[in-house]
Amino acid sequence: DTAVSQTPKYLVTQMGNDKSIKCEQNLGHDTMYWYKQDSKKFLKIMFSYNNKELIINETVPNRFSPKSPDKAHLNLHINSLELGDSAVYFCASSQAGTGPLNTEAFFGQGTRLTVV
Amino acid sequence: AQTVTQSQPEMSVQEAETVTLSCTYDTSESDYYLFWYKQPPSRQMILVIRQEAYKQQNATENRFSVNFQKAAKSFSLKISDSQLGDAAMYFCAYSPYTDKLIFGTGTRLQVFP
Repeated sequence: DTAVSQTPKYLVTQMGNDKSIKCEQNLGHDTMYWYKQDSKKFLKIMFSYNNKELIINETVPNRFSPKSPDKAHLNLHINSLELGDSAVYFCASSQAGTGPLNTEAFFGQGTRLTVV
Repeated sequence: AQTVTQSQPEMSVQEAETVTLSCTYDTSESDYYLFWYKQPPSRQMILVIRQEAYKQQNATENRFSVNFQKAAKSFSLKISDSQLGDAAMYFCAYSPYTDKLIFGTGTRLQVFP
């Protein structure tokens, strides 16, 4: 049973289109994240949500809009896709907090987005 | 700003030998977590080992161990008895108590038979 699952795993789309990536976790975690891995393999956080509330927004363009309908789901919607958006997008979850409650992040398998 | 540096873009090791991957970080915090993640060609991010900054004892997980030097802000990963399945990208990551991971640029490890 997959702990953090993302769909789709691969996404090829044309410039200007709007697309969504879905993420679900069955670990009972309070916090979910979106990370972007670029072509050089560099991973950087985009957003984090804690109990459906946006906690971190790391200067991501407004074309990216996360949505968390409940604490087990965090979707990423991207408007007006650009060539530079091509990357692997990872969803993750953790039972995060301060001090000893901060635990490891569990990652989904990633979604490879290719904009043509 | 909090940063993580991995100065070795690529490393190679022979099967059954030992290899050490380097990582340094910069922070003004006193309490934080450090991680090593492995990313094989399957793309899955897999946690290898975790270290709490308030613990002086170095973490170990089977063949994987770390050398944590808090004053030097250094966090290296040692892989003993290397196996072909250890071949992957390895990412060092720092986590303040603010719920995010800050990653280094990664080290690609090749394992030769």
